[in-house]
Amino acid sequence: KNQVEQSPQSLIILEGKNCTLQCNYTVSPFSNLRWYKQDTGRGPVSLTIMTFSENTKSNGRYTATLDADTKQSSLHITASQLSDSASYICVVSPRGSGTYKYIFGTGTRLKVLA
Amino acid sequence: NAGVTQTPKFQVLKTGQSMTLQCAQDMNHEYMSWYRQDPGMGLRLIHYSVGAGITDQGEVPNGYNVSRSTTEDFPLRLLSAAPSQTSVYFCASRRGGNTGELFFGEGSRLTVL
Repeated sequence: KNQVEQSPQSLIILEGKNCTLQCNYTVSPFSNLRWYKQDTGRGPVSLTIMTFSENTKSNGRYTATLDADTKQSSLHITASQLSDSASYICVVSPRGSGTYKYIFGTGTRLKVLA
Repeated sequence: NAGVTQTPKFQVLKTGQSMTLQCAQDMNHEYMSWYRQDPGMGLRLIHYSVGAGITDQGEVPNGYNVSRSTTEDFPLRLLSAAPSQTSVYFCASRRGGNTGELFFGEGSRLTVL
């Protein structure tokens, strides 16, 4: 069964520190992997999109990496800010299954403290 | 651009009542979809549409209907609400093709008593 698992479930860090969130998936083959940020009470917003052939993608202080051999992705947040407090969701699209398929992880809830 | 607009933001229903969640996008996107988000679970696809007049079921379609009469609008109808449909519902859209960014609305929180 295609699955996307994220760790840790939740994380608390101090403002200014770096952190790394993990995403392991069993989806194969896959077309692309995305990271979304979801603020409390809001809809998810796209941070990065990587195809299966890409290794890294950056968006400001957010850097996503992908290792297709081990089926792992990570999202690294540099110099965290209070506004980074949110849930971060990893999403994988299987290849060849139509254009509508997205498999969502359950997310990592990040809290940044002053 | 307003992006993806959902209404209402909050709704409380009694078991057996029906209602429609509205979704509109102003980006001329071909693909639109409805998801539900429940605690401890990833977003799950309810129904989707790849263009006006075309709809199809996702992984959790039971108890919901959709229609797509225009490119802009994609309403989700709850036929006879049940407590199991208590959830946060998100509408999402993107341009055609699987690599495009998926844009989400702000969500509609539904409680069924």
